[in-house]
This record gives sequence, C-alpha cells and structure tokens, in this order.
Amino acid sequence: DVKVTQSSRYLVKRTREKVFLECVQDMDHENMFWYRQDPGLGLRLIYFSYDVKMKEKGDIPEGYSVSREKKERFSLILESASTNQTSMYLCASGRDRERDTQYFGPGTRLTVL
Amino acid sequence: AQSVAQPEDQVNVAEGNPLTVKCTYSVSGNPYLFWYVQYPNRGLQFLLKYITGDNLVKGSYGFEAEFNKSQTSFHLKKPSALVSDSALYFCAVSRYTGRRALTFGSGTRLQVQP
Repeated sequence: DVKVTQSSRYLVKRTREKVFLECVQDMDHENMFWYRQDPGLGLRLIYFSYDVKMKEKGDIPEGYSVSREKKERFSLILESASTNQTSMYLCASGRDRERDTQYFGPGTRLTVL
Repeated sequence: AQSVAQPEDQVNVAEGNPLTVKCTYSVSGNPYLFWYVQYPNRGLQFLLKYITGDNLVKGSYGFEAEFNKSQTSFHLKKPSALVSDSALYFCAVSRYTGRRALTFGSGTRLQVQP
C-alpha cells in the first residue's frame, strides 16, 4: 500500500509566522503535489514537483514556496502566514507510469490566528 | 485551460436506490478523468479513472463511471447505495503542462439515508 504521511493533522499559528508543512511518501514516486482544500472551492493546486529540486507553480502559488531536497519528502512553506491561509492542506504523490493517479495524505488543518 | 464542473453541492439518496453524481469537463484534446472520495477527517482516496478504451469504467466499492465524449461528462454511478457511501466526492481531469497535474471540481456531498 502506498503511504503518504503529513507531519501534523492540526496546526495553529500566528500571523507573520513562518510555517513548514512536511510530506513524506514511501513508494519512490517521482511526482509530489500540494493542494489546499476550501469548502465550495474543491482542491486547488499550490505547487508540484516532478523530481528532486524541481518545482512548478500550480494555480495559487502566491504566499507559498516549496522544497524538495530528497525524493520522498516535499515541504510546503508559508513565508509569512496570513489569516486567509487558514485551510486544509493536502499532499499527494504519484508516478509517471500510473497516468496521473495520485495518492493523498490525511491532510493538515492549519489555522492562522 | 481545463475545468471540471460538479453542478450539485449535495445529492441525497435512500439506501438501496441507485445513485448518480454528475461531472462535466472542459479540456482540449483527450481527457484523463478521475473520481476520488473523501470520508470525514481523511484524505482523498482514488476510486476510478478513465484513460482510454471502454466508456464504462469500474472502480472500487462497486462504483462505476461512464465517459460520454459528446456530452463531455463523466458521471459516477452505483446501482445500490449504502449508508457507508456517504462522503464527499471529487471529479478531476488531467492536464498537460509539461508535467501532469489534476484539476479538481468543487466536490459533491453524497448523503445516503437509511
């Protein structure tokens, strides 16, 4: 079974704090993704990575950055957290030969006060 | 640009009745289409996908989906609903932007009443 883990299920931070969300997958997948999920908006892609040290912007990258130093780990960074970044953050991974099928972690519910 | 529409925020169905969750898409070229399910307080789980071939795709938990190119639809179906099917369902389409990524719909909450 594919396993995607996220460092925290719930996180509470203050505005202007730097926030790190970590994601690890154990299946040697090339591709990793960060989404945020908001009611009525579905999932929106923030960033994705198709190889170590490679990244590509998604639909809503503003206010976020990412890091992929190792194949199994993909980090999402909020440089200066704001209240409008309060959301559920979902990490996913997948491999090229599975035609875009993605496997999701349990999510991190981030609250920025 | 690619997009997915799920026109119903919520679908209510009685246990034992057939269910349909609707999805339409807009994409240039041939689409890759997906359904995912999200149970309360959990991440998304893959249900099924259409890549090519037979228009009727069978997936996990007895779900199936029918690809209709002329209507640009990919509706999710199940012949007999269970209370345990109650969850949030997402349709998604694959896009090619150098590397693949999924575009998701807004989600449809399925409520199955006993």
